[in-house]
Amino acid sequence: QKEVEQDPGPLSVPEGAIVSLNCTYSNSAFQYFMWYRQYSRKGPELLMYTYSSGNKEDGRFTAQVDKSSKYISLFIRDSQPSDSATYLCAMSATTDSWGKLQFGAGTQVVVTP
Amino acid sequence: NAGVMQNPRHLVRRRGQEARLRCSPMKGHSHVYWYRQLPEEGLKFMVYLQKENIIDESGMPKERFSAEFPKEGPSILRIQQVVRGDSAAYFCASSPKDRDEKLFFGSGTQLSVL
Repeated sequence: QKEVEQDPGPLSVPEGAIVSLNCTYSNSAFQYFMWYRQYSRKGPELLMYTYSSGNKEDGRFTAQVDKSSKYISLFIRDSQPSDSATYLCAMSATTDSWGKLQFGAGTQVVVTP
Repeated sequence: NAGVMQNPRHLVRRRGQEARLRCSPMKGHSHVYWYRQLPEEGLKFMVYLQKENIIDESGMPKERFSAEFPKEGPSILRIQQVVRGDSAAYFCASSPKDRDEKLFFGSGTQLSVL
């Protein structure tokens, strides 16, 4: 079993819809939770970062962490064609080096005009 | 301020050859991480280096792979005697310090082994 599970998609939504992405994990030691966006043939770009449980909002993006269920989510409101990319969840334990992240496989999102 | 620079962008090697991947971190960043991304899989941590030190190499294959981050110059990921299974995208990331929320990734090197 993988430490971080993420549905690979593809997830296709019409422009303006809400995109809902999620990951589950098995390691209780994870405390830092991140979402990255990766365009084709590019490196990942950090979108959201959350420490422990709770919600965090940044513009059209909302990240949620439910540690009791070992479940994290990312919501993208008013989706745009430019949001079409692969979205990767990532996690880190306090016992590990900060940059030693466990990534999900990524969900491919396609926003159609 | 230039981002994390990786070169080459594409590298083709025949089985048995050596591959050298270079990574120049962002200016002022002294922490470098290497990741590998196989098709249909997420990024996998390989190694964490600071200047002249390997801090965590728990994700590195035991044989043929090595990494360094010298006092001067870029970080190098070296793969000796490449095999087809080494074909992947290799990404480098840097941060100014440990426990920093910003980890900046380069655009990667796509290694293809014929």
